[in-house]
Amino acid sequence: DADVTQTPRNRITKTGKRIMLECSQTKGHDRMYWYRQDPGLGLRLIYYSFDVKDINKGEISDGYSVSRQAQAKFSLSLESAIPNQTALYFCATSDFRLGQETQYFGPGTRLLVL
Amino acid sequence: GNSVTQMEGPVTLSEEAFLTINCTYTATGYPSLFWYVQYPGEGLQLLLKATKADDKGSNKGFEATYRKETTSFHLEKGSVQVSDSAVYFCALLNQAGTALIFGKGTTLSVSS
Repeated sequence: DADVTQTPRNRITKTGKRIMLECSQTKGHDRMYWYRQDPGLGLRLIYYSFDVKDINKGEISDGYSVSRQAQAKFSLSLESAIPNQTALYFCATSDFRLGQETQYFGPGTRLLVL
Repeated sequence: GNSVTQMEGPVTLSEEAFLTINCTYTATGYPSLFWYVQYPGEGLQLLLKATKADDKGSNKGFEATYRKETTSFHLEKGSVQVSDSAVYFCALLNQAGTALIFGKGTTLSVSS
């Protein structure tokens, strides 16, 4: 079983709809991250969380919100989706308690906003 | 601020050719440096990393050396295989240790 899972893997939605992307991990890591990937732009950080209830904005947080209600789960919400939020979204985890800087990525969620 | 610059792709090679993908960075201090690989339809996987100057990261025949004089972390492999076809991302960890800063990615295509 994968250590970092994302649901759904693919999603098509319409402009103005609220949607939520879920991330779960079984690695026991304390830190979790949401990135988006756009062609030719690499990955950009949306939000990150160092522990339950801890939320920090990343480079491109506008239009997004997150929730970290449990250590193993980190959800990303688009309150009112717009077409330029069409992208590939990745969740990642890391365990800073062990001094590990490596981030482990989920398989991604491909989102299309019409 | 922090930034990572990678050579633009796509890079197209024949099997067993030598590979270099250039990566340079701008950062405060001496950040940890990483190469991630993304195979088609998958998430990113750590390929190798280096945490201080002159360190060499290596994995699966790939190598990269942390060069603080040239602020570079070029990825090399002596003999590529078709299975190495993927997108390669260079990244640095910011000084606060809170986020990875990625380059735009370089697509490698290896033909037999």
